Amino acid sequence: KNQVEQSPQSLIILEGKNCTLQCNYTVSPFSNLRWYKQDTGRGPVSLTIMTFSENTKSNGRYTATLDADTKQSSLHITASQLSDSASYICVVSVGNNDMRFGAGTRLTVKP
Amino acid sequence: GAGVSQSPRYKVAKRGQDVALRCDPISGHVSLFWYQQALGQGPEFLTYFQNEAQLDKSGLPSDRFFAERPEGSVSTLKIQRTQQEDSAVYLCASSLAGGRPNSPLHFGNGTRLTVT
Repeated sequence: KNQVEQSPQSLIILEGKNCTLQCNYTVSPFSNLRWYKQDTGRGPVSLTIMTFSENTKSNGRYTATLDADTKQSSLHITASQLSDSASYICVVSVGNNDMRFGAGTRLTVKP
Repeated sequence: GAGVSQSPRYKVAKRGQDVALRCDPISGHVSLFWYQQALGQGPEFLTYFQNEAQLDKSGLPSDRFFAERPEGSVSTLKIQRTQQEDSAVYLCASSLAGGRPNSPLHFGNGTRLTVT
């Protein structure tokens, strides 16, 4: 069983709408959690990083939340744009160089 | 500034051929990782280098897979006697890390390997 579970597996929304992607993890001990955006045919790019003590962090239209007690994180995208179409991958770090990847949520934004 | 560069971008190999995939990390980055990504899946860890030392190769699926980083910069992932199940995108990532747990991974755009 993957230690980092993401939902939904895929999502289609209309341009301008908001959406929320979920990440649940069982990894322990916890160092930090990152959300990456991966455009088709490209490598993942870091959007946000959250450490144990942080609950919310924003990066433009992206807002990530973390509940370290329930081991859940979410990525909220506001006022979606066509360019938001991508896979969003949740990555939980156990230590300096031990990272566990989720399978990603494939987001499609339609005009 | 230059990011992580991978070559070739695409590689088609006949089953049984050997292939070599190259990764040029960001200059000065201590840590280098190789991942395998199947279609519709997240990256799966293959191996990790800190400078020239291969500290973790637990993700390499078989002894047909070999990685090196002899001078602590450029890395090569070699796959011998390729099989169809080796078809995937191979991603390389580098980071400053080496004791900085919040350093992000900087990924290349990957090499898409197709074994026919």
